[in-house]
Amino acid sequence: NAGVTQTPKFRILKIGQSMTLQCAQDMNHNYMYWYRQDPGMGLKLIYYSVGAGITDKGEVPNGYNVSRSTTEDFPLRLELAAPSQTSVYFCASRARDVFFGPGTRLTVL
Amino acid sequence: AQKVTQAQTEISVVEKEDVTLDCVYETRDTTYYLFWYKQPPSGELVFLIRRNSFDEQNEISGRYSWNFQKSTSSFNFTITASQVVDSAVYFCALSPLIGAQKLVFGQGTRLTINP
Repeated sequence: NAGVTQTPKFRILKIGQSMTLQCAQDMNHNYMYWYRQDPGMGLKLIYYSVGAGITDKGEVPNGYNVSRSTTEDFPLRLELAAPSQTSVYFCASRARDVFFGPGTRLTVL
Repeated sequence: AQKVTQAQTEISVVEKEDVTLDCVYETRDTTYYLFWYKQPPSGELVFLIRRNSFDEQNEISGRYSWNFQKSTSSFNFTITASQVVDSAVYFCALSPLIGAQKLVFGQGTRLTINP
């Protein structure tokens, strides 16, 4: 099992650009999550999904969109990137235990 | 609403000392999970433990132990005979047992073990 994989590992965006952060899991988990971690802070929930075709907003959804067309994949879309979106993004999936991907470090300049 | 508080922002100890990281939580759910994660300098999140709210037995795993007290809404983590490799940020987290099971994280405690 690869667990939870995320691509890319690092990315630098210019203000106003868009990008998609990819997340995939091979554990057949229904629940998947996107979190962001700002420097020196805990993790904040952006969006989550309880199964294919079902997504909902978390604590900090503004500026982001998600889709969940399959159980395995849960991409996060950033439209019109802003400096405030500079952060490390973690994808996670769970049965009872929660497994995190390695993270994507995003800088918006 | 759910909330996790890790009041200790930073802790610094000398190697081989014992250290306890505090975690206090708030929830209206009667059943829930509590977690601890380790985030080493490399940045990944390493799962350490999950506890159910109906299981208040303390847990020991090698040099790590966890003390869950429902009466004080606390889930503290102790490292015995600390080592330099224990240096990391440690997060406590909470989720309901049912429903979307979203994790709510504390702010984390940065633990530095000095040689």
